[in-house]
Order: sequence, then structure tokens, then C-alpha cells
Amino acid sequence: QQQVKQSPQSLIVQKGGISIINCAYENTAFDYFPWYQQFPGKGPALLIAIRPDVSEKKEGRFTISFNKSAKQFSLHIMDSQPGDSATYFCAASVMNAGGTSYGKLTFGQGTILTVHP
Amino acid sequence: EAQVTQNPRYLITVTGKKLTVTCSQNMNHEYMSWYRQDPGLGLRQIYYSMNVEVTDKGDVPEGYKVSRKEKRNFPLILESPSPNQTSLYFCASSMRGWGYGYTFGSGTRLTVV
Repeated sequence: QQQVKQSPQSLIVQKGGISIINCAYENTAFDYFPWYQQFPGKGPALLIAIRPDVSEKKEGRFTISFNKSAKQFSLHIMDSQPGDSATYFCAASVMNAGGTSYGKLTFGQGTILTVHP
Repeated sequence: EAQVTQNPRYLITVTGKKLTVTCSQNMNHEYMSWYRQDPGLGLRQIYYSMNVEVTDKGDVPEGYKVSRKEKRNFPLILESPSPNQTSLYFCASSMRGWGYGYTFGSGTRLTVV
């Protein structure tokens, strides 16, 4: 049972366009939502993360939008560049009341993003 | 350099032959975890550890064992590998606390024939 569902599986965008990747979750206990970026031959790396007390977080060209009632969150990449071509994973975790993670992190299926020059 | 080191990078083995994939981190991280990555399934957590001698099952623990005797090391053991364990494996570590993401190793490509 996939607790975090990610779409689309693959995405092709022209340079300068907006890339949008969506994720939906089922477990209402999730309260930490990171996105990871993975280049070929490398391990994933943390890109940006959000907690459900805010609806949006922006870091440079990357923005997470969060809809708690719909149990959905998405990654927007503005002004997409060929160097952004990678596999993107959303993930979710439960943080305890002290703000420390239980260590269990559930990932989505991944989206292969290709940005054409 | 702060990093998570996995060995070996590539491994081909036969069904039933016990193997160990080593993982070591030099960042004094409390949390460590093992994931397997398969096409269309993303990353699935096998086991994780929140501290020395504290481990717990992830989503796909069957057929795997782990141990955390030292803070820096978290080996993954396959007692009797089977072909369905052919996969790309990642070890990861993290500081404890909100906002700390996992740092992943470079991966181990395992093929069981």
C-alpha cells in the first residue's frame, strides 16, 4: 500500500517553463513533507521541505504548495533549466511533539523530469 | 568531507549466499536508514535506526537484517538472498530534528542470480 502517491511518472518541460509535480498522502499523522532530487548515479539529496502549519514555502526557483484539507502537496519549479533534469521524490514523515523525527520516511514513486534546452 | 560511504558499489551474487553491505557515516548522525530503489516503486525503507542498539522495521524488512553496534556503522545483511532482492540500495543518515534531511550514500547495485 503506497502511502504517498506521486504524479506524473515523467514530465518534459521546455527551458524557462514551469514544472509541477504532485503528491497525495493518506496518513493524517504525517507532518513533515520533504522533496528530494536525484541525479543519475547519485543518491537523493534534500531539496526543500515544509510542515503543515504553512501553505507555501519558497526557496529560489523551487516552491512547495501544501493543501492540508486535501492531503496534497506539490513542487513547482519556476524557470526550469536543463540542469534541473533529474528524478524528484516527494516524501512524508511523522515528527513527534518535540519536533524530532521518528526516523521513518515514506517516499513517493518518483518523477523523471526532463528540461529541453 | 562529510559523507555516507557504502561498500561495495556493485555486487553480483548467487541465490542463498549470505552477503553484507556496509555503511558508514562520519557526521555523528543519530539516525541511519536503508532504502531500496526499484523502477516505478520509488524508494522504500527497509530498516531504520534512531540510535545505537535501536532499530525498527521500515516498509519492506522481509529478508533483511541490520545491526547498530556503533553510531557510525549500519550494515545491511542478506542472510539468504533471492532474485527479488535485486535492486539499488541506499544507506542514509540524518541528524535528529525538524528540517534535517537524510544524507544518502552513492548506492549499491545488487544483482542476485
